[in-house]
Amino acid sequence: KAGVTQTPRYLIKTRGQQVTLSCSPISGHRSVSWYQQTPGQGLQFLFEYFSETQRNKGNFPGRFSGRQFSNSRSEMNVSTLELGDSALYLCASSFQGATNEKLFFGSGTQLSVL
Amino acid sequence: AQSVTQLDSHVSVSEGTPVLLRCNYSSSYSPSLFWYVQHPNKGLQLLLKYTSAATLVKGINGFEAEFKKSETSFHLTKPSAHMSDAAEYFCVVSAINYGQNFVFGPGTRLSVLP
Repeated sequence: KAGVTQTPRYLIKTRGQQVTLSCSPISGHRSVSWYQQTPGQGLQFLFEYFSETQRNKGNFPGRFSGRQFSNSRSEMNVSTLELGDSALYLCASSFQGATNEKLFFGSGTQLSVL
Repeated sequence: AQSVTQLDSHVSVSEGTPVLLRCNYSSSYSPSLFWYVQHPNKGLQLLLKYTSAATLVKGINGFEAEFKKSETSFHLTKPSAHMSDAAEYFCVVSAINYGQNFVFGPGTRLSVLP
């Protein structure tokens, strides 16, 4: 069974641009969540999608958005990039998205904003 | 709001000696608790989870953790450290009782000396 796949692996953008990151969950998993990892703030929850609906949202500005498709693949978008958006963005999937379920993480997309 | 404190940012042990990584949590309801490990340049992997069953939880690679409600603690232990255990360890608590929104602790970097 293939794991969680995130593309691209690395991205370099400049301030003001927008970026789209992609995540393909494990086959059969319906919940996809996104996390931002930085040395200063650690791992912070962005949002969770379940059956194409955003079910939970973290405390991030509206520049951060996402969506989920009918095949459970998910994308997240960051508009008007700022230097502070430089981070490792991790996607995780689980079968039903229950609070006691194991998360399966992808290797992440390393975003650098110059 | 739920929160997680990992009392040590860095722990260093000798190979073959016990490991103790400390975690305290705050939650307004009975939470699910997890320990995840992140090896360099690899994705996060679940070590173990507590979900209101047995208070002593056994995980992979010889790790275990004990849930102590009175102390709001969920410390991770291993009787004998191996070089391959060197990694970043995250204590995680479910932020809500519906869907997936997890709060990650700041992490503890474990070094294993030969």
